[in-house]
Amino acid sequence: GNSVTQMEGPVTLSEEAFLTINCTYTATGYPSLFWYVQYPGEGLQLLLKATKADDKGSNKGFEATYRKETTSFHLEKGSVQVSDSAVYFCALRSGGSYIPTFGRGTSLIVHP
Amino acid sequence: DGGITQSPKYLFRKEGQNVTLSCEQNLNHDAMYWYRQDPGQGLRLIYYSQIVNDFQKGDIAEGYSVSREKKESFPLTVTSAQKNPTAFYLCASSTPRGSGRALNTGELFFGEGSRLTVL
Repeated sequence: GNSVTQMEGPVTLSEEAFLTINCTYTATGYPSLFWYVQYPGEGLQLLLKATKADDKGSNKGFEATYRKETTSFHLEKGSVQVSDSAVYFCALRSGGSYIPTFGRGTSLIVHP
Repeated sequence: DGGITQSPKYLFRKEGQNVTLSCEQNLNHDAMYWYRQDPGQGLRLIYYSQIVNDFQKGDIAEGYSVSREKKESFPLTVTSAQKNPTAFYLCASSTPRGSGRALNTGELFFGEGSRLTVL
């Protein structure tokens, strides 16, 4: 079956530090890959996505590249802000499946 | 604006009571989902529906029930049989991946969540 593994948190950084949150997956076929962000007390929002190998998704300074050879979709940001503090979920959907597969989430805490 | 509306945002329940969480979407999506989230935990799927008048159990359906009488609505009832119902509940919707729309990538759209506390 499909699975998503992301690094455990919390990840604690100082403002303006470089961020990487690792995400690897196993899936049948050619999945679409997603990063969602959840701010405290809110629902999840789509942060970025990639639908085929070597695609780069980007939004709000965050980037992730669909690496089929390493089955990875690592999230990066060059300079984090306090407002980026949230929980980040990596996810995939494969084939015609109605059911996405989510990672367990990684909490990011950014200190001033 | 199109989106998903969950209500109420906060709900308190006495033990032994059933409660119903509302989820309405105006995105014209076929598929709808209910997830449960506990502190420090990921998302666990309760029920999902691919189309009106059809729904399937997810990983943790025991103690919950749903209906899908209209495309826009997918209410979740937390019954007294659910032994530990205190949690954050998230509703979501999507089009199926590969539905034929040029820009469809199958992402989920989430509501703001409902926090249920059992007193």
